[in-house]
Amino acid sequence: AQSVAQPEDQVNVAEGNPLTVKCTYSVSGNPYLFWYVQYPNRGLQFLLKYITGDNLVKGSYGFEAEFNKSQTSFHLKKPSALVSDSALYFCAVRDNLDSNYQLIWGAGTKLIIKP
Amino acid sequence: EPEVTQTPSHQVTQMGQEVILRCVPISNHLYFYWYRQILGQKVEFLVSFYNNEISEKSEIFDDQFSVERPDGSNFTLKIRSTKLEDSAMYFCASSDYDGTGQFFGPGTRLTVL
Repeated sequence: AQSVAQPEDQVNVAEGNPLTVKCTYSVSGNPYLFWYVQYPNRGLQFLLKYITGDNLVKGSYGFEAEFNKSQTSFHLKKPSALVSDSALYFCAVRDNLDSNYQLIWGAGTKLIIKP
Repeated sequence: EPEVTQTPSHQVTQMGQEVILRCVPISNHLYFYWYRQILGQKVEFLVSFYNNEISEKSEIFDDQFSVERPDGSNFTLKIRSTKLEDSAMYFCASSDYDGTGQFFGPGTRLTVL
């Protein structure tokens, strides 16, 4: 069965420090992996995706994520955090064998960047 | 930049009433989806729609729910006889031909009293 785990409910980082938000997944086939960000009372904004190719994917707002097949992980990273990065981050996966394209979501990680 | 839009942003209804949530997907997208997020919980898949029919639905999407693409631009979610537990944020999404990137609308917050 497909699943996504975000092991941390909350991550606290000081402004200017690097941040990592963790995500691991389980699929039958090959994964298509996504990160979305949700600001308070807002919708889900697409950050980045991994479909194939280079394991390091760069996305919006300076975020990047690294696909690690052996560890079945897709951690979200940013070299220098901003207070404005504070939001709820969701990892999602789609199994490439799933022809209906539904996304399976992690529970979300609240990222708090302190000045 | 094209975006998915949803109306209304907030809908308040009485238990037992019917509601219709509206979405306008990105114009050249072919796949459409509804998800919901109960407050404080994870996003849950409801249904996907392609070529004018439902392609997949979750166990949440029972007979109380229906979707429709009444014209070339709108994609609607109808909830019949709403229940208190239907209170949630409902997100519409669309994706292009290969479904490798789903773009989400801002959501409709449904409150059932």
